[in-house]
Amino acid sequence: KAGVTQTPRYLIKTRGQQVTLSCSPISGHRSVSWYQQTPGQGLQFLFEYFSETQRNKGNFPGRFSGRQFSNSRSEMNVSTLELGDSALYLCASSPSDYGYTFGSGTRLTVV
Amino acid sequence: AQSVTQLGSHVSVSEGALVLLRCNYSSSVPPYLFWYVQYPNQGLQLLLKYTTGATLVKGINGFEAEFKKSETSFHLTKPSAHMSDAAEYFCAVCTNNNDMRFGAGTRLTVKP
Repeated sequence: KAGVTQTPRYLIKTRGQQVTLSCSPISGHRSVSWYQQTPGQGLQFLFEYFSETQRNKGNFPGRFSGRQFSNSRSEMNVSTLELGDSALYLCASSPSDYGYTFGSGTRLTVV
Repeated sequence: AQSVTQLGSHVSVSEGALVLLRCNYSSSVPPYLFWYVQYPNQGLQLLLKYTTGATLVKGINGFEAEFKKSETSFHLTKPSAHMSDAAEYFCAVCTNNNDMRFGAGTRLTVKP
């Protein structure tokens, strides 16, 4: 079965712009989580959605937001981009039990 | 809140040697524990996970890990390293509601 699909794979944006990243989870998976990965901070949890509701949230500013649709697909939005937002953004999906399957990520570069 | 500490940001072994990557966790409730591997420019791939039951967990690619509650550890081992094992490895802990937290990662280098 198809894995977790993230689009786009690579993105270059200018400081101050906003960006939307997309994640299609594995069919049947209702939980979707987002992580930011940088060399300095490692893997940091952004938020988790389950059945269209945000269930957990990490320690990120309000510029980072997300949502989940009825088909479990999820989007993540970052507004007013800063240079420090350059990172690999990883989406992961999970069925009702524990353990995530990750997508290949979206590499965001802010210039 | 739960957390994970991975001892050693870099580990180097010779091909054929034992691989030991260390992970200690902190959790106020019984944890679920995971090891993931990440190859360059890719996402994370699940190696193995402990939820309940047998404390010695076998995963893919010959890796295994043992949950030791008394030591709050979940170290990852492989008897004989292969060149293809070179990657970054992440230990993670998860408790309620799929709130998963990762360690800082250990980069494994395998020397020929």
